[in-house]
Amino acid sequence: GAVVSQHPSWVICKSGTSVKIECRSLDFQATTMFWYRQFPKQSLMLMATSNEGSKATYEQGVEKDKFLINHASLTLSTLTVTSAHPEDSSFYICSARVSSANNEQFFGPGTRLTVL
Amino acid sequence: QKEVEQNSGPLSVPEGAIASLNCTYSDRVSQSFFWYRQYSGKSPELIMSIYSNGDKEDGRFTAQLNKASQYVSLLIRDSQPSDSATYLCAVSLATGGFKTIFGAGTRLFVKA
Repeated sequence: GAVVSQHPSWVICKSGTSVKIECRSLDFQATTMFWYRQFPKQSLMLMATSNEGSKATYEQGVEKDKFLINHASLTLSTLTVTSAHPEDSSFYICSARVSSANNEQFFGPGTRLTVL
Repeated sequence: QKEVEQNSGPLSVPEGAIASLNCTYSDRVSQSFFWYRQYSGKSPELIMSIYSNGDKEDGRFTAQLNKASQYVSLLIRDSQPSDSATYLCAVSLATGGFKTIFGAGTRLFVKA
């Protein structure tokens, strides 16, 4: 399957700081990437859909000014959590869609964010 | 009604048995159906994709799709303790930019 990487795999930061998470498709070009958040023992929650060269589409209830998404190339999307607070502590996972024909998504390994 | 529904489990089966995981979806014109496996603390891993009615087999896994009943299932034959994980059913809608909707997942325990 297609390979998606994320960096960093985990991060601990102080409340009020900003954290950037990178998502890369390593062996394919992804016009569409997705950002999810998952709290312990809960299901995946889609935060936003990231399209290369255009603005991200955010799901209802997700603050676009707090969760900044940039998809500047066909292999890289970034999520920046601005002014992070303890309630933002979660497991953030990106995925990339290989082809719009079959809609298969491949997930990165995730980034565990802890805000102190 | 949730768009993709799964029994949360846990589903417990003995080693070597067949594990049967079920999923129903609400969008009648959905086109693509997926099963992901997620180990605790890890991200989901795609294990099966199915696009047309019937069965699709891949090793110990068989996905079954019935569009008339809006039902998709995953059978795991000869279950192993290493199959213990949460299994997520996902459905790509025919509208809204082909967004993929995930079920909440079914936790499977395979007892040695």
